[in-house]
Amino acid sequence: EVQVVEFGGGLVQPGGSLRLSCAASGFTFNIYAMSWVRQAPGKGLEWVSGISGSGSRISYADSVKGRVTISRDNFKNALYLQMNSLRADDTAIYYCAKGEGRLVNSYYYMDVWGKGTTVTVSS
Amino acid sequence: QSVLTQPPSVSGAPGQRVTISCTGTSSNIGAGSDVQWYQQLPGTAPKLLIYGNANRPSGVPDRFSGSKSGTSASLAITGLQAEDEADYYCQSYDSSLSVVFGGGTKLTVL
Repeated sequence: EVQVVEFGGGLVQPGGSLRLSCAASGFTFNIYAMSWVRQAPGKGLEWVSGISGSGSRISYADSVKGRVTISRDNFKNALYLQMNSLRADDTAIYYCAKGEGRLVNSYYYMDVWGKGTTVTVSS
Repeated sequence: QSVLTQPPSVSGAPGQRVTISCTGTSSNIGAGSDVQWYQQLPGTAPKLLIYGNANRPSGVPDRFSGSKSGTSASLAITGLQAEDEADYYCQSYDSSLSVVFGGGTKLTVL
């Protein structure tokens, strides 16, 4: 079964850091681009970051640029999101999503989603 | 403010047809980027409903269809059922090198 499972959410103080992980299984991980998408309480979906299958191409939403780093370990079939300088408006469910294709480009879409991990930024 | 514009809500009675619009610009949908649609049932993760403007993944009923023209796209749902009550999101790709979503549309089945 193709699936992705997120880990690492929790409560963190403003200005703090958190590292999210996503474990992938059931597919050849290194040939698919991956993304992180978040959803603030009661709000819509917001794409956070994407990484190509090889890890050589990375892109970020303007709202997180400079504060988060996406990475992947194709040997461990794992995706990561390092989040620093966290703010209250980073509070959200963070979803890991498998893309269809090697690149995040004009044909990109996400065909497998995890259940999400909740990040709460509060003092 | 989302890059792609969707109506906040639509509604219809069981058996009826409803459409949800998604309006972009010349830097995303109008630039030729594909449009996708996702369904999010209450309390669950999003699910891919339509990809590549008009294609359905395996398992998605043919009551759901997508189309694209110019800088806009639409999702149509025919034979509306109570289980279709959910939030629907369109998604595309912008020339700013980012994936973009619409603000979401809440479908109510009357």
